[in-house]
Amino acid sequence: DSGVTQTPKHLITATGQRVTLRCSPRSGDLSVYWYQQSLDQGLQFLIQYYNGEERAKGNILERFSAQQFPDLHSELNLSSLELGDSALYFCASSSRPDSTDTQYFGPGTRLTVL
Amino acid sequence: ILNVEQSPQSLHVQEGDSTNFTCSFPSSNFYALHWYRWETAKSPEALFVMTLNGDEKKKGRISATLNTKEGYSYLYIKGSQPEDSATYLCAFGTTSGTYKYIFGTGTRLKVLA
Repeated sequence: DSGVTQTPKHLITATGQRVTLRCSPRSGDLSVYWYQQSLDQGLQFLIQYYNGEERAKGNILERFSAQQFPDLHSELNLSSLELGDSALYFCASSSRPDSTDTQYFGPGTRLTVL
Repeated sequence: ILNVEQSPQSLHVQEGDSTNFTCSFPSSNFYALHWYRWETAKSPEALFVMTLNGDEKKKGRISATLNTKEGYSYLYIKGSQPEDSATYLCAFGTTSGTYKYIFGTGTRLKVLA
């Protein structure tokens, strides 16, 4: 158990809908990272927040957005969902802002878009 | 386009064999190199974070080296055991443009008893 929690574990929804994935980092960690792993692609970095501020951006679509709240939990919002958004979404946390320390991954949320 | 390549894609070894894999990344704008172990149906588990050229890290039978000038890192497993079977991923942190974190496609290791 990494100490990172993600909810829900599974999510099934329809195209065009909007969903919110939630992540709680390990106690004391200020950085949260979001990743997407789809069947035809490897693990893709989406976005990083550190202490409430966006720190780095990867291959995140404009239909996706994220935020980190004062209690440090983070939410990833996915809107206008398409079939291709079906994937496993991981969040990870670490203590530093610059990715030079260990990242601890949560168990993931499996999103299925029908 | 920034590319991180891992080789081999997959390999099978016998229990007790030693093995190694390669992660190749761009040699400019290097920030950090991470190695992860990812078992099926689980989450990636961090093995090492390396930031300095010449870094060597070790955890039990697993070790890693880093060459940022030529853009590669090696992961070694000594005396492979069946429980080492997993996908080994590397991720390259770069400051090219805004900070990015790019994963390789992994090396799938199967250790046969």
